Amino acid sequence: SQELEQSPQSLIVQEGKNLTINCTSSKTLYGLYWYKQKYGEGLIFLMMLQKGGEEKSHEKITAKLDEKKQQSSLHITASQPSHAGIYLCGADGSAGGTSYGKLTFGQGTILTVHP
Amino acid sequence: GAVVSQHPSRVICKSGTSVKIECRSLDFQATTMFWYRQFPKQSLMLMATSNEGSKATYEQGVEKDKFLINHASLTLSTLTVTSAHPEDSSFYICSATTGGLAPYNEQFFGPGTRLTVL
Repeated sequence: SQELEQSPQSLIVQEGKNLTINCTSSKTLYGLYWYKQKYGEGLIFLMMLQKGGEEKSHEKITAKLDEKKQQSSLHITASQPSHAGIYLCGADGSAGGTSYGKLTFGQGTILTVHP
Repeated sequence: GAVVSQHPSRVICKSGTSVKIECRSLDFQATTMFWYRQFPKQSLMLMATSNEGSKATYEQGVEKDKFLINHASLTLSTLTVTSAHPEDSSFYICSATTGGLAPYNEQFFGPGTRLTVL
């Protein structure tokens, strides 16, 4: 089965600092999703990456998928308190992207941003 | 984007009772819905996959007789925790998808249900 390892598990930064969260897979990623979650709430979809070398940005958040499609990174520029939360990477649960939406998640990264 | 609702958002029950949680896709038809469980400061663990009109597929280690899942229509799936015990206390999240292969199978998540069993 697909296993995802996120690092770091928690991160505390000062407002305005840049930060990176990594997600590493034991298998080739056929669909890599990044979500944000506030404690006790549902998941907010951030971005989905599918192609090797793909990079997407939304506002101050950039996500990349490496060429080998086994590692993804989420980079936040000039962090703000509103960026605080739990960041989860999720991947298609089977090889070849045939799981029809079934996702396996990393353990999550808890981000705290101090004003 | 598509909206998925869950009801109730919070529930407190006594040990031994059963609790039903509803998951609805409000503006699209979901061929597949997923049920996840999340413990504090932990990630989401997939419990089961629910397809409309057929029996749910449970992940290894999840008791199908304890967590009853019904997907009676393309917009509604229910999770019933039977004979709930304190160890069942958790945050339950559902997601819905229109199915198909990536990138057409994006999951839309509900806001979650906090279950506390006394």
